[in-house]
Amino acid sequence: DAGVIQSPRHEVTEMGQEVTLRCKPISGHDYLFWYRQTMMRGLELLIYFNNNVPIDDSGMPEDRFSAKMPNASFSTLKIQPSEPRDSAVYFCASSLWEGGDNEQFFGPGTRLTVL
Amino acid sequence: AQSVTQLGSHVSVSEGALVLLRCNYSSSVPPYLFWYVQYPNQGLQLLLKYTTGATLVKGINGFEAEFKKSETSFHLTKPSAHMSDAAEYFCAVTPWGGNTPLVFGKGTRLSVIA
Repeated sequence: DAGVIQSPRHEVTEMGQEVTLRCKPISGHDYLFWYRQTMMRGLELLIYFNNNVPIDDSGMPEDRFSAKMPNASFSTLKIQPSEPRDSAVYFCASSLWEGGDNEQFFGPGTRLTVL
Repeated sequence: AQSVTQLGSHVSVSEGALVLLRCNYSSSVPPYLFWYVQYPNQGLQLLLKYTTGATLVKGINGFEAEFKKSETSFHLTKPSAHMSDAAEYFCAVTPWGGNTPLVFGKGTRLSVIA
């Protein structure tokens, strides 16, 4: 299995620009999570999906952030407009419901720098 | 609500020495506990997990952790450190298993000195 795939791996953009991060979960997994990692706040959940439906988006910082999962094999996280404080590493993770004894598999992350 | 406290943002050990990374959690329900490792510029890899049953959990790369409910702890240990163990380690908790969001500690950076 190829694991969780994220693109791009690195993104440098200017303040005010739109940024789209992409994630392909492991085939067959029915849960998908977006996390953000910063020095100040550590790793924190942004949003997660079950069977392509958003379950909890309370971690999304503000209206500038949006996430979609149009099908079981693809999700996007969009920031519009981007701000320097959005600079972070964004991780996507996926998991499969197996009665609770399971784990989340993480992608390599997208390092976002907003100038 | 769940929370995790990792004592020590940076731990340094000599090669061959015992590794001990501390994790204390807070949970209103019986927790599921995880240790993840992150190598530079990579994603997180699961080291081990506690769900139910045996409180001493063995993971990959010679690591193990013991769930102590009375102390609300889940410390990570390895008898003998190797240079390749240098990385960032994260303890995480979730109330309902890996299909619910993980709450992470701040992480502990492990350095191994030759």
